[in-house]
Amino acid sequence: EVQLVQSGVEMKKPGESLKISCQTSGYRFASYWIGWVRQMPGKGLEWMAMIFPGDSDTRYSPSFRGQVTISADKSLNTAYLQWNSLKASDTAMYYCAKVQEGYSDPFDFWGQGTLVIVSS
Amino acid sequence: EIVMTQSPATLSVSPGETATLSCRASQSITNNLAWYQQKTGQAPRLLIYGASTRATGIPTRFSGSGSGSEFTLTISSLQSDDFAVYYCQQYNRWPPYSFGQGTKLEIK
Repeated sequence: EVQLVQSGVEMKKPGESLKISCQTSGYRFASYWIGWVRQMPGKGLEWMAMIFPGDSDTRYSPSFRGQVTISADKSLNTAYLQWNSLKASDTAMYYCAKVQEGYSDPFDFWGQGTLVIVSS
Repeated sequence: EIVMTQSPATLSVSPGETATLSCRASQSITNNLAWYQQKTGQAPRLLIYGASTRATGIPTRFSGSGSGSEFTLTISSLQSDDFAVYYCQQYNRWPPYSFGQGTKLEIK
């Protein structure tokens, strides 16, 4: 059974750094793209970035390039999303999701989401 | 960037009836279109991919159609569990694989 389990709620201050995780199981982690999706409070879904854990190839949305960093650890079957300096506008739910097959495919399995709250 | 536009923003339908949701792409995406359902407090769930193929375990009352730039999600015999927000997503050209803004399907 494919599962994506995300790290818990984070409460941070502006300017702080953060790294959230998405631990996967039930499939060959290195062989499928995995991505991150943002959902701001009361808003829709925004595609942020994807990574292919097999060779760490990454793709970023222009809206998020330079704002976040996506990474993966094949030994832990885990993907990460990190910020160097959080802003209040980063407050959102963040979902990781596995890509169905190749890079040009939808997300077929999703994590439960990590809520990030950035407030002074 | 390909812009995805969904309509209507909110759709009110009675249980047992049929709901028709629309999604338009700003340029052709052939059939690289997915539909997701998101219930309050939950992660999205893949319903349809390839514009018309149901994902594993999705009931047959959910159907997708369209190609190019115009797509439709039809939900027949609406059940109480179907009232949620629905998003379309194109995965034809990245980055990003953009989502529509969502259609909220509510009980009439």
